[in-house]
Amino acid sequence: DTEVTQTPKHLVMGMTNKKSLKCEQHMGHRAMYWYKQKAKKPPELMFVYSYEKLSINESVPSRFSPECPNSSLLNLHLHALQPEDSALYLCASSQRTGGYTEAFFGQGTRLTVV
Amino acid sequence: KNEVEQSPQNLTAQEGEFITINCSYSVGISALHWLQQHPGGGIVSLFMLSSGKKKHGRLIATINIQEKHSSLHITASHPRDSAVYICAVQSNQGAQKLVFGQGTRLTINP
Repeated sequence: DTEVTQTPKHLVMGMTNKKSLKCEQHMGHRAMYWYKQKAKKPPELMFVYSYEKLSINESVPSRFSPECPNSSLLNLHLHALQPEDSALYLCASSQRTGGYTEAFFGQGTRLTVV
Repeated sequence: KNEVEQSPQNLTAQEGEFITINCSYSVGISALHWLQQHPGGGIVSLFMLSSGKKKHGRLIATINIQEKHSSLHITASHPRDSAVYICAVQSNQGAQKLVFGQGTRLTINP
């Protein structure tokens, strides 16, 4: 199993809603990542988890709250988002952070904030 | 100047043509990745390399560490190869993140 599975594939939410994005991998990877991608731009790193601990937060607003309940699962909790937060949210995993290690990406969740 | 520069930004070609996409980087790296993204879709890892050359089907990736340059080649291109191709590097300075190029949008016409 070399998949990173993201759910849901599409999400439309209002600015007062609370929702969560989910990412799962069963490759035994100990590094997991959240990226945000706007149209026609490369992905921008948001968070890195290494061994279930948050190791990088790229100055992401607190309305985005990551959670890593176990080594296979990564969540992104969303609250009070703005329309400009509409984007493709990509999850990725790798055996470890850094070094010669391949990254596996999910299909993404396309988020629209209305 | 970005740490990872790709060229061209856009490329349109006819089916069957040989395609080359270039990537130059300015940092020391432990790995370079070539990634493919179809419109509205997730990202697929095509190659990870730190030296030499790798081949998978019609795709070939090369890297020259001394010149800090990598190329992705597609032989006998096909309309299904139309996608955005992204070069990303893993710094060897202990950084935990990939640095992405801006991507090359490839369109192959039948």
